[in-house]
Amino acid sequence: DAGITQSPRHKVTETGTPVTLRCHQTENHRYMYWYRQDPGHGLRLIHYSYGVKDTDKGEVSDGYSVSRSKTEDFLLTLESATSSQTSVYFCAISESGGSGETQYFGPGTRLLVL
Amino acid sequence: TQLLEQSPQFLSIQEGENLTVYCNSSSVFSSLQWYRQEPGEGPVLLVTVVTGGEVKKLKRLTFQFGDARKDSSLHITAAQTGDTGLYLCAGDGTATNKLIFGTGTLLAVQP
Repeated sequence: DAGITQSPRHKVTETGTPVTLRCHQTENHRYMYWYRQDPGHGLRLIHYSYGVKDTDKGEVSDGYSVSRSKTEDFLLTLESATSSQTSVYFCAISESGGSGETQYFGPGTRLLVL
Repeated sequence: TQLLEQSPQFLSIQEGENLTVYCNSSSVFSSLQWYRQEPGEGPVLLVTVVTGGEVKKLKRLTFQFGDARKDSSLHITAAQTGDTGLYLCAGDGTATNKLIFGTGTLLAVQP
């Protein structure tokens, strides 16, 4: 199994509070991704990183920011959580982001915004 | 925007039955992947197909990429309870290296 951990695994928070989710990898892969998974929508890309301090937006980036100060860590921040951000968040990594390359997923973080 | 639609959304079958899951789009994809996700875990890659018309077999699972690279199918022969899970197709868009995931098919195989 690829060495990917996510923390926390579960979180309950209130509307308007900031929340930071962490993804940590031990594979030294260049690309890291944050997805959210909601019923009927599959997985949707929030943000991704192609190197330290290099990030770009995905399909559903509004209300989210990311940072990557080290190869192994990719942080996702909800600046002011809303109920629509209740979801399961998955981090993924890939070696070089090439076409058809495997993405390896973490175990997910279940976030509930009340 | 490239979209991938999967059908059916839900499938409940008895052990030993055969089934097919479809993944369709109006867009062309340079490659297509199938992932399986079990409850409480992240998706795990099953296969990648890259050539139009390509067929790949993984034990009882057969994957096909459409000739025009717009669709794919997953056929499971003699389903087992261990096949239970969420099956996701994911396409690698021709204009970007970001994966686009399908809506998912939730499969339940009853003993």
